[in-house]
Amino acid sequence: DAGVIQSPRHEVTEMGQEVTLRCKPISGHDYLFWYRQTMMRGLELLIYFNNNVPIDDSGMPEDRFSAKMPNASFSTLKIQPSEPRDSAVYFCAISSRGTEAFFGQGTRLTVV
Amino acid sequence: GENVEQHPSTLSVQEGDSAVIKCTYSDSASNYFPWYKQELGKRPQLIIDIRSNVGEKKDQRIAVTLNKTAKHFSLHITETQPEDSAVYFCAAINSGGYQKVTFGTGTKLQVIP
Repeated sequence: DAGVIQSPRHEVTEMGQEVTLRCKPISGHDYLFWYRQTMMRGLELLIYFNNNVPIDDSGMPEDRFSAKMPNASFSTLKIQPSEPRDSAVYFCAISSRGTEAFFGQGTRLTVV
Repeated sequence: GENVEQHPSTLSVQEGDSAVIKCTYSDSASNYFPWYKQELGKRPQLIIDIRSNVGEKKDQRIAVTLNKTAKHFSLHITETQPEDSAVYFCAAINSGGYQKVTFGTGTKLQVIP
Protein backbone atom coordinates (compact mmCIF):
# COMPACT_ATOMS: atom_id res chain seq x y z
CA ASP A 1 0.00 0.00 0.00
CA ALA A 2 2.93 2.37 0.42
CA GLY A 3 3.66 2.19 -3.31
CA VAL A 4 1.32 5.05 -4.21
CA ILE A 5 -0.14 7.45 -1.68
CA GLN A 6 -3.09 9.54 -2.72
CA SER A 7 -4.59 12.39 -0.78
CA PRO A 8 -7.13 13.22 0.24
CA ARG A 9 -9.00 9.91 0.39
CA HIS A 10 -12.32 11.70 0.34
CA GLU A 11 -13.17 15.20 -0.81
CA VAL A 12 -16.50 16.96 -0.72
CA THR A 13 -16.62 20.37 -2.31
CA GLU A 14 -19.11 22.84 -3.63
CA MET A 15 -19.62 23.41 -7.31
CA GLY A 16 -17.30 26.09 -8.62
CA GLN A 17 -14.54 25.43 -6.12
CA GLU A 18 -11.03 24.40 -7.07
CA VAL A 19 -10.05 20.84 -6.23
CA THR A 20 -6.51 19.49 -6.10
CA LEU A 21 -5.83 15.78 -5.89
CA ARG A 22 -2.38 14.59 -4.94
CA CYS A 23 -0.33 11.52 -5.72
CA LYS A 24 2.97 10.50 -4.16
CA PRO A 25 4.48 7.46 -5.86
CA ILE A 26 7.49 5.49 -4.79
CA SER A 27 10.65 6.04 -6.79
CA GLY A 28 11.85 3.71 -9.52
CA HIS A 29 8.88 3.85 -11.86
CA ASP A 30 8.80 5.31 -15.35
CA TYR A 31 5.12 5.99 -15.81
CA LEU A 32 2.38 7.69 -13.85
CA PHE A 33 -1.29 7.55 -14.82
CA TRP A 34 -4.38 9.41 -13.67
CA TYR A 35 -7.67 7.53 -14.05
CA ARG A 36 -11.25 8.47 -13.30
CA GLN A 37 -13.78 5.80 -12.41
CA THR A 38 -17.55 6.16 -12.54
CA MET A 39 -20.37 3.66 -12.80
CA MET A 40 -21.32 4.97 -16.22
CA ARG A 41 -17.90 5.17 -17.87
CA GLY A 42 -15.79 2.68 -15.96
CA LEU A 43 -12.04 3.36 -15.79
CA GLU A 44 -11.08 6.31 -17.98
CA LEU A 45 -7.47 7.27 -18.59
CA LEU A 46 -7.18 11.02 -18.16
CA ILE A 47 -3.47 11.61 -18.67
CA TYR A 48 -0.18 9.82 -18.29
CA PHE A 49 3.43 10.83 -17.78
CA ASN A 50 6.69 9.17 -18.76
CA ASN A 51 9.69 10.31 -16.73
CA ASN A 52 7.65 13.27 -15.48
CA VAL A 53 6.77 14.43 -19.01
CA PRO A 54 3.09 14.41 -20.06
CA ILE A 55 2.71 12.02 -22.99
CA ASP A 56 -1.00 11.86 -23.67
CA ASP A 57 -3.65 14.11 -22.16
CA SER A 58 -6.35 13.32 -24.70
CA GLY A 59 -8.48 11.80 -21.96
CA MET A 60 -8.69 15.04 -19.98
CA PRO A 61 -12.35 15.92 -20.38
CA GLU A 62 -12.13 19.69 -20.46
CA ASP A 63 -9.85 22.64 -19.93
CA ARG A 64 -11.08 22.67 -16.35
CA PHE A 65 -8.78 19.69 -15.75
CA SER A 66 -5.02 20.03 -15.52
CA ALA A 67 -2.24 17.78 -14.24
CA LYS A 68 1.36 18.34 -13.30
CA MET A 69 4.30 16.19 -12.33
CA PRO A 70 7.08 18.46 -11.09
CA ASN A 71 9.25 15.52 -10.01
CA ALA A 72 9.25 11.73 -9.89
CA SER A 73 7.71 11.66 -6.42
CA PHE A 74 4.74 13.97 -6.81
CA SER A 75 1.86 14.66 -9.15
CA THR A 76 -1.32 16.69 -8.93
CA LEU A 77 -4.62 16.69 -10.75
CA LYS A 78 -6.51 19.95 -10.51
CA ILE A 79 -10.09 20.70 -11.40
CA GLN A 80 -11.16 24.32 -11.60
CA PRO A 81 -13.96 25.11 -11.43
CA SER A 82 -15.43 21.82 -10.25
CA GLU A 83 -18.87 20.63 -11.36
CA PRO A 84 -21.20 17.92 -9.99
CA ARG A 85 -20.48 15.71 -13.00
CA ASP A 86 -16.85 15.55 -11.91
CA SER A 87 -17.91 13.40 -8.96
CA ALA A 88 -16.00 10.14 -9.26
CA VAL A 89 -13.15 8.13 -7.83
CA TYR A 90 -9.81 9.33 -9.12
CA PHE A 91 -6.93 6.86 -9.17
CA CYS A 92 -3.24 7.48 -9.59
CA ALA A 93 -1.24 4.49 -10.85
CA ILE A 94 2.42 3.85 -11.58
CA SER A 95 4.32 1.35 -13.68
CA SER A 96 7.64 0.67 -15.28
CA ARG A 97 8.27 -0.61 -18.78
CA GLY A 98 6.94 -4.11 -19.15
CA THR A 99 5.16 -4.21 -15.80
CA GLU A 100 1.62 -3.84 -14.61
CA ALA A 101 0.07 -0.63 -13.32
CA PHE A 102 0.01 -0.36 -9.53
CA PHE A 103 -2.89 1.70 -8.22
CA GLY A 104 -3.16 4.02 -5.29
CA GLN A 105 -6.17 3.80 -2.99
CA GLY A 106 -7.99 6.50 -4.88
CA THR A 107 -9.68 9.78 -3.99
CA ARG A 108 -13.46 9.81 -3.85
CA LEU A 109 -14.57 13.26 -5.03
CA THR A 110 -18.07 14.53 -4.48
CA VAL A 111 -19.04 17.89 -5.93
CA VAL A 112 -22.32 19.22 -4.58
CA GLY B 1 -4.85 3.77 -30.53
CA GLU B 2 -5.67 0.58 -28.67
CA ASN B 3 -9.28 -0.40 -28.10
CA VAL B 4 -10.15 -3.16 -25.62
CA GLU B 5 -13.60 -4.72 -25.52
CA GLN B 6 -14.69 -6.87 -22.61
CA HIS B 7 -17.63 -9.26 -22.25
CA PRO B 8 -19.86 -9.91 -20.46
CA SER B 9 -20.50 -6.78 -18.43
CA THR B 10 -22.14 -8.81 -15.67
CA LEU B 11 -21.86 -12.49 -14.81
CA SER B 12 -23.61 -14.53 -12.14
CA VAL B 13 -22.50 -18.07 -11.34
CA GLN B 14 -23.24 -20.57 -8.64
CA GLU B 15 -20.52 -21.23 -6.13
CA GLY B 16 -18.28 -23.98 -7.42
CA ASP B 17 -19.00 -23.30 -11.08
CA SER B 18 -16.53 -21.78 -13.52
CA ALA B 19 -16.53 -18.21 -14.82
CA VAL B 20 -15.07 -16.99 -18.09
CA ILE B 21 -14.47 -13.38 -19.08
CA LYS B 22 -13.36 -12.48 -22.59
CA CYS B 23 -11.51 -9.51 -24.03
CA THR B 24 -10.49 -8.48 -27.51
CA TYR B 25 -7.91 -5.89 -28.46
CA SER B 26 -7.22 -3.99 -31.65
CA ASP B 27 -3.51 -3.10 -31.65
CA SER B 28 -1.42 -6.03 -32.87
CA ALA B 29 1.61 -4.42 -31.20
CA SER B 30 0.13 -5.00 -27.73
CA ASN B 31 2.21 -7.65 -26.02
CA TYR B 32 1.29 -7.62 -22.33
CA PHE B 33 -2.13 -8.39 -20.90
CA PRO B 34 -2.77 -8.00 -17.17
CA TRP B 35 -6.02 -8.76 -15.38
CA TYR B 36 -7.21 -6.79 -12.38
CA LYS B 37 -9.73 -7.51 -9.65
CA GLN B 38 -11.50 -4.66 -7.93
CA GLU B 39 -13.49 -5.31 -4.79
CA LEU B 40 -16.15 -2.86 -3.74
CA GLY B 41 -14.65 0.39 -2.52
CA LYS B 42 -11.08 -0.70 -3.20
CA ARG B 43 -8.47 -0.15 -5.85
CA PRO B 44 -7.92 -2.47 -8.83
CA GLN B 45 -5.26 -5.06 -8.07
CA LEU B 46 -3.36 -7.35 -10.40
CA ILE B 47 -4.37 -11.00 -10.18
CA ILE B 48 -2.67 -12.54 -13.19
CA ASP B 49 -0.97 -11.47 -16.40
CA ILE B 50 0.22 -12.95 -19.64
CA ARG B 51 2.75 -11.91 -22.23
CA SER B 52 2.48 -12.44 -25.94
CA ASN B 53 5.14 -15.14 -26.06
CA VAL B 54 2.93 -17.62 -24.19
CA GLY B 55 -0.55 -18.91 -24.89
CA GLU B 56 -1.70 -19.83 -21.41
CA LYS B 57 -0.83 -19.16 -17.79
CA LYS B 58 -2.32 -20.64 -14.66
CA ASP B 59 -2.22 -19.70 -11.00
CA GLN B 60 -4.24 -21.99 -8.76
CA ARG B 61 -7.91 -21.44 -9.63
CA ILE B 62 -7.34 -18.71 -12.20
CA ALA B 63 -5.94 -19.01 -15.69
CA VAL B 64 -5.56 -16.74 -18.67
CA THR B 65 -5.37 -17.69 -22.33
CA LEU B 66 -4.18 -15.60 -25.24
CA ASN B 67 -4.86 -15.98 -28.96
CA LYS B 68 -2.63 -13.48 -30.73
CA THR B 69 -3.98 -14.30 -34.17
CA ALA B 70 -7.53 -13.54 -33.16
CA LYS B 71 -6.44 -10.77 -30.78
CA HIS B 72 -8.39 -12.05 -27.85
CA PHE B 73 -7.60 -13.20 -24.35
CA SER B 74 -9.71 -14.69 -21.61
CA LEU B 75 -9.78 -15.10 -17.84
CA HIS B 76 -10.95 -18.39 -16.41
CA ILE B 77 -11.88 -18.87 -12.76
CA THR B 78 -12.63 -22.40 -11.65
CA GLU B 79 -14.37 -23.57 -8.48
CA THR B 80 -15.66 -20.08 -7.83
CA GLN B 81 -16.09 -18.89 -4.27
CA PRO B 82 -18.12 -15.98 -2.85
CA GLU B 83 -14.91 -14.00 -2.30
CA ASP B 84 -14.36 -14.05 -6.06
CA SER B 85 -17.27 -11.62 -6.36
CA ALA B 86 -15.81 -8.37 -7.69
CA VAL B 87 -15.33 -6.35 -10.85
CA TYR B 88 -12.67 -7.72 -13.17
CA PHE B 89 -10.81 -5.62 -15.73
CA CYS B 90 -8.63 -6.74 -18.58
CA ALA B 91 -5.96 -4.51 -20.06
CA ALA B 92 -3.68 -4.44 -23.09
CA ILE B 93 -0.26 -2.80 -23.20
CA ASN B 94 2.34 -2.21 -25.87
CA SER B 95 5.47 -2.30 -23.77
CA GLY B 96 7.59 -1.53 -26.81
CA GLY B 97 6.21 1.96 -27.12
CA TYR B 98 4.87 4.39 -24.59
CA GLN B 99 3.29 2.14 -22.03
CA LYS B 100 -0.27 3.32 -22.29
CA VAL B 101 -2.52 0.98 -20.29
CA THR B 102 -5.88 0.54 -22.00
CA PHE B 103 -8.54 -1.12 -19.85
CA GLY B 104 -11.63 -3.02 -20.80
CA THR B 105 -14.98 -1.83 -19.49
CA GLY B 106 -15.08 -4.35 -16.65
CA THR B 107 -17.11 -7.42 -15.72
CA LYS B 108 -19.07 -7.56 -12.49
CA LEU B 109 -18.89 -11.13 -11.27
CA GLN B 110 -21.33 -12.35 -8.66
CA VAL B 111 -20.81 -15.75 -7.11
CA ILE B 112 -24.00 -17.02 -5.53
CA PRO B 113 -23.49 -19.18 -2.44
